[in-house]
Amino acid sequence: GNSVTQMEGPVTLSEEAFLTINCTYTATGYPSLFWYVQYPGEGLQLLLKATKADDKGSNKGFEATYRKETTSFHLEKGSVQVSDSAVYFCALSDSKSGAGSYQLTFGKGTKLSVIP
Amino acid sequence: DTGVSQDPRHKITKRGQNVTFRCDPISEHNRLYWYRQTLGQGPEFLTYFQNEAQLEKSRLLSDRFSAERPKGSFSTLEIQRTEQGDSAMYLCASSLDTGHSNQPQHFGDGTRLSIL
Repeated sequence: GNSVTQMEGPVTLSEEAFLTINCTYTATGYPSLFWYVQYPGEGLQLLLKATKADDKGSNKGFEATYRKETTSFHLEKGSVQVSDSAVYFCALSDSKSGAGSYQLTFGKGTKLSVIP
Repeated sequence: DTGVSQDPRHKITKRGQNVTFRCDPISEHNRLYWYRQTLGQGPEFLTYFQNEAQLEKSRLLSDRFSAERPKGSFSTLEIQRTEQGDSAMYLCASSLDTGHSNQPQHFGDGTRLSIL
C-alpha cells in the first residue's frame, strides 16, 4: 500500500534559518505529491504540489522537488519567518489507490516553530 | 469561492450518543472526501463521493459511521453510539474531477469531536 514518512518533529529554528523537512514515500502507481500546511487553529492549506518526476513545486518561498529515484519530496525554505510556524504535512495522491478516488495519504506531520 | 465549510466547529457529547456533521464543498467541486485526524497524526481517509455516489469507504469506517451526499451537494457524516475512540478532528475536503491525481483537495477547518 501507499505510505508517507516525514522527519520527526518538533523542529525549532531561529528566524532567517534554512529549513529542510524530509519526506519519503511508497506508492503503487505514479503519485502526485503535495505539501499541506496547518497554521494554529486553522484547517489544512495546500502549500505546493508536483505531479511528475523532477517537477519542482514552489510557493511563498518554499520549494520541493519530486525525486523518483529516491522516492523523496523534501520541503525547503531558504529563510524562515516567525509566521511560518505551523505543522507541515507531506501527502501523496495515487491513481492506483482505491476505486479511482485519488485519496490522499498523509505523513504524520512536522511541527515547525520559528523564534525571533 | 467561499471555500469548504464545516459545521459545527466543535461537538462535545456523551458516549453512546449520535452525532451528525455537515460539510459544504466548493460549489463546482464534484469530489468530496471525509478524513479523520487524531492528535499528532496526519489525516486518514474515511470515505469518498463523486457527485451523490459514495464510491469508496475505508476500513476505518465502522458500521456505526454513515455518510451521505444527497443531490451531490453538501454531505453529512453521522456517527451512531459514539465511543471514546471516536474523539478526533473530522475533516472534509473537495476537489474537481479531471481524471488525474494532481488535483489538489481543498479542506475545511474541520469538526472537533470530543466524547465525554
